[in-house]
Amino acid sequence: AQSVAQPEDQVNVAEGNPLTVKCTYSVSGNPYLFWYVQYPNRGLQFLLKYITGDNLVKGSYGFEAEFNKSQTSFHLKKPSALVSDSALYFCAVRPVTGTASKLTFGTGTRLQVTL
Amino acid sequence: GAGVSQSPRYKVAKRGQDVALRCDPISGHVSLFWYQQALGQGPEFLTYFQNEAQLDKSGLPSDRFFAERPEGSVSTLKIQRTQQEDSAVYLCASSGRTATNEKLFFGSGTQLSVL
Repeated sequence: AQSVAQPEDQVNVAEGNPLTVKCTYSVSGNPYLFWYVQYPNRGLQFLLKYITGDNLVKGSYGFEAEFNKSQTSFHLKKPSALVSDSALYFCAVRPVTGTASKLTFGTGTRLQVTL
Repeated sequence: GAGVSQSPRYKVAKRGQDVALRCDPISGHVSLFWYQQALGQGPEFLTYFQNEAQLDKSGLPSDRFFAERPEGSVSTLKIQRTQQEDSAVYLCASSGRTATNEKLFFGSGTQLSVL
């Protein structure tokens, strides 16, 4: 069975500072990894994905994530946080092989960026 | 429309009532997914369609839950004899292809409250 762990319920950071939202995963075989963001009263929006290749993936709104196979991690990062980045962030995983349907999400991390 | 549309946005049901939730995916999208998101949790997979074929319904929590996509576009999730534990946000997502590495486009969800 596949699973995702987001160990922090909330991350607080001051605007302009770098941010990291942590994610570790468990899956049989190689993973496809995703980050989605959820703003209030909005659906989840895709940020970025890791499929293969370069371990550093760049996505929307200046976000990036680093795939670390040995640590089974896919932490989300941004060099300089904005107040508008405040939202709920979800990490998700599905195995490379197998059915297309099994995307498993973490419980989410609330990012709070303050002035 | 430009995105995934779900209706109604909110639904209040008395325990024991049947409800039907509608999803209009992005036009032409082959894959359609239903997820259930309980308060404070990440989305959990319910079922997956590829065109009109329901290829995976392993996430449906009981036989009270039924989903269909008869013409390969609009989908309906039906819950019979609703229970309080069915209260959640029901998310629909679609993607343009069947590949497992495709990003999903989510609707804003239907918030179901069972009294």
